[in-house]
Amino acid sequence: DAKTTQPNSMESNEEEPVHLPCNHSTISGTDYIHWYRQLPSQGPEYVIHGLTSNVNNRMASLAIAEDRKSSTLILHRATLRDAAVYYCILGSGAGSYQLTFGKGTKLSVIP
Amino acid sequence: DAGVIQSPRHEVTEMGQEVTLRCKPISGHNSLFWYRQTMMRGLELLIYFNNNVPIDDSGMPEDRFSAKMPNASFSTLKIQPSEPRDSAVYFCASSPGQGRRETQYFGPGTRLLVL
Repeated sequence: DAKTTQPNSMESNEEEPVHLPCNHSTISGTDYIHWYRQLPSQGPEYVIHGLTSNVNNRMASLAIAEDRKSSTLILHRATLRDAAVYYCILGSGAGSYQLTFGKGTKLSVIP
Repeated sequence: DAGVIQSPRHEVTEMGQEVTLRCKPISGHNSLFWYRQTMMRGLELLIYFNNNVPIDDSGMPEDRFSAKMPNASFSTLKIQPSEPRDSAVYFCASSPGQGRRETQYFGPGTRLLVL
């Protein structure tokens, strides 16, 4: 399975933008890039996903490198509620129903 | 939409007892997943159903674990007999379909403690 690499932790000041990086150098051409987050004591929550082009939604933006070997999740203005573990996951394979969660990046937001 | 519903939210039991966790997926979703989360191993997929049929149970730890999906709106995960090492948070998730771009919607989880 294609793997992802993320920093263990990051900090951000409230109301500032946050850029969460993810490396996936073994990504294949048909793999989707998914981001989920898990707030304390809650289940994982979908954030965004993309294939090749950059994507925007109400929660975040996803910037995908041209060679697709890395991506960045962008939170435009971090709030205290954004403090969570963020997981970058590749949706890969023919029957790619399985989300293989790594350790993710624990984001702390400083008031 | 109520989202994925799991019950109970918390369960404390003694070693050797039977434990049954329940899940109601989002209406109209045809894929259902059971995950387990521990500090040591993180989030692991246990089993996956599509259209009520188990597709992949390779993540089920051992024969003490079993899962059923008798209809599109209900699934159970049973542990018998339970052991202390089964203590974890168990999540149920559902998705509209299967495939590498589908979004999974997770329930709030059941926190299980086996004494």
